[in-house]
Amino acid sequence: EVQLLESGGGLVQPGRSLRLSCAASGFTFDDFAMHWVRQAPGKGLEWVSGITWNSGTMGYADSVKGRFTISRDNAKNSLYLQMNSLRTEDTALYYCAKASGRYYYYNVDVWGQGTTVTVSS
Amino acid sequence: QSVLTQPPSVSAAPGQKVTISCSGSSSNIGNNYVSWYQQFPGTAPKLLIYDNNKRPSGIPDRFSGSKSGTSATLDITGLQTGDEADYYCGTWDSSLSAVVFGGGTKLTVL
Repeated sequence: EVQLLESGGGLVQPGRSLRLSCAASGFTFDDFAMHWVRQAPGKGLEWVSGITWNSGTMGYADSVKGRFTISRDNAKNSLYLQMNSLRTEDTALYYCAKASGRYYYYNVDVWGQGTTVTVSS
Repeated sequence: QSVLTQPPSVSAAPGQKVTISCSGSSSNIGNNYVSWYQQFPGTAPKLLIYDNNKRPSGIPDRFSGSKSGTSATLDITGLQTGDEADYYCGTWDSSLSAVVFGGGTKLTVL
């Protein structure tokens, strides 16, 4: 069974940093691209970032470009999201999500349960 | 403002059929595959339809998807109260180089 388990969320002050992690299991991690998708309270889904199977290419939403960095460690079956210069509008539930292919233009086919990030003073 | 446009809500009676639309442009729906996701309150989204009209294993054939030009549609037949959820369409946008989602549609089964 494919499983994605996020961690690292919490309460952080504006301007500070946070690093999210996602532990993957149940599939060949280095065969698939991965995504981070967030959902603000009471709002819809917003794609944050994607990374190809071999970390060759990363993509970001305009809202986080220059502040967030996605990375992966295929040896550890893990995905990460380094979030710097956090803003109140970054408050959301952050989902780790698996792509259906090696590149992040492939659709999301499996979602984790999410980790909550709250940015507030 | 979402790149893909969905109606905020739809409703129908049990046993009936409902259609949820998703409108985009040539840079997204028009030239890329569309997926649909189902999300119950407090839970993660779940893949319902991929590649416009394919169902993952375990998804009932009451759920079907289609695409025409720059619009996509999710049909749900034989509605059940357990289908009450939020539904999102999603695809790749070649101009933005980003995954894009619709704003979501809340389905109410009256």
